[in-house]
Formats: sequence, structure tokens, C-alpha cells
Amino acid sequence: SQTIHQWPATLVQPVGSPLSLECTVEGTSNPNLYWYRQAAGRGLQLLFYSVGIGQISSEVPQNLSASRPQDRQFILSSKKLLLSDSGFYLCAWSQGNTGELFFGEGSRLTVL
Amino acid sequence: GQNIDQPTEMTATEGAIVQINCTYQTSGFNGLFWYQQHAGEAPTFLSYNVLDGLEEKGRFSSFLSRSKGYSYLLLKELQMKDSASYLCAVRAWQAGTALIFGKGTTLSVSS
Repeated sequence: SQTIHQWPATLVQPVGSPLSLECTVEGTSNPNLYWYRQAAGRGLQLLFYSVGIGQISSEVPQNLSASRPQDRQFILSSKKLLLSDSGFYLCAWSQGNTGELFFGEGSRLTVL
Repeated sequence: GQNIDQPTEMTATEGAIVQINCTYQTSGFNGLFWYQQHAGEAPTFLSYNVLDGLEEKGRFSSFLSRSKGYSYLLLKELQMKDSASYLCAVRAWQAGTALIFGKGTTLSVSS
């Protein structure tokens, strides 16, 4: 069966520090991968999605970036965090053109 | 772009039936999804509609009218554990395989 893991689960970072969140999927190949952010009162916001290695689509201009160095690995990064980057970050995967999304456990980021 | 609207909050009592509505505006519609999210947890998939009509899955049912840009999630025989946020999401061709989510409806079930 397929599983998705993301880490770290919780982190507290100072403004201006870098960020790296990692996500891996097991039990499938060539998945579609996604990064969402959920801020208080704002719902799930799509940040990036990828349909293959090295293929990244960005939905929202911001100081975040994403990379897909391997088929089942998706990384969310920032060089300098802002207070507004605080939120609940969710990685997800899907298969094909019509499948539902399956979410990882989430990473809660607090920027102070 | 896409616009998805759903009520912010709803309340209901155990054993009752509740209907959560969702309206959407999008071009290139390619499916509507409902997710359940308990506080502090990741969303979990509930249902998927791409054609008009009703999809039933146990205590949960979802309806879609593409011509009206309208869907609802029907929860029957409510239980306390159904207290959660319910997220309506749309897939549109121009966004590839990604889902665009509404802000969610927080349902509180009381005894």
C-alpha cells in the first residue's frame, strides 16, 4: 500500500532563517506531488505541484520554492522566512489525472 | 481562476441529518471533492463527483449539479466524532491535477 511521510512535524523558526520541509511517498511510482499551506482562517492554499522529476508549477508568488530531486521526494524550502510564512504545511500525492489527493501528516511552522 | 463558497460554521445534534452546501465558479471543471479534517490533523478524502447526481457512501452522500455550479455533502445519523471541518475542493483542467479548496465548513455536533 502507498504511504506518505513528511517531516519535521513541528518547528519554530526565527524570522530570516532558512526552511526545509521534506516529503516522501512510498509504494507508488511517478506520483503527482503537491505542497499546500493552511493558515488560520484562510483554508488550504495550493503552493506548488509537480507531475515529474524537475517539473514544478508554482501557484502563488512568494519567498518559498520547491524541488523534486527524486521521483517520490518533494522538498519545500525558503532562504529567509517571514512571519507570514507561519502555518500548517501539507504534502499530498495523487495518481493519474482523476485520482483523489492523499495528504501527509502535516508540518506546523511557527515563525517568530 | 476559481471561486469556491461554503458556509463557515454549522451546528447540529447527534442523530440528526445535516447538509453542507458548496457553490463554485470555474472553467474547465474536472471534478468536485469533499474532505474531512479534524482539528490539527490532515484532511481525509470523503467523496468525489464528476457527473451530475448523487454518490452515496455509508452515512455520507454527495451531490453535484454542474450546470448550477453546486454541490452538497449530506451527513446522516450524526455522531460526535463527525465534529470536524468539511472542505469542498474543485479540480479544473488549467490547474492540472491539483485541487483548489474552499475555506471549509466547521461542523459542531452536540449531544
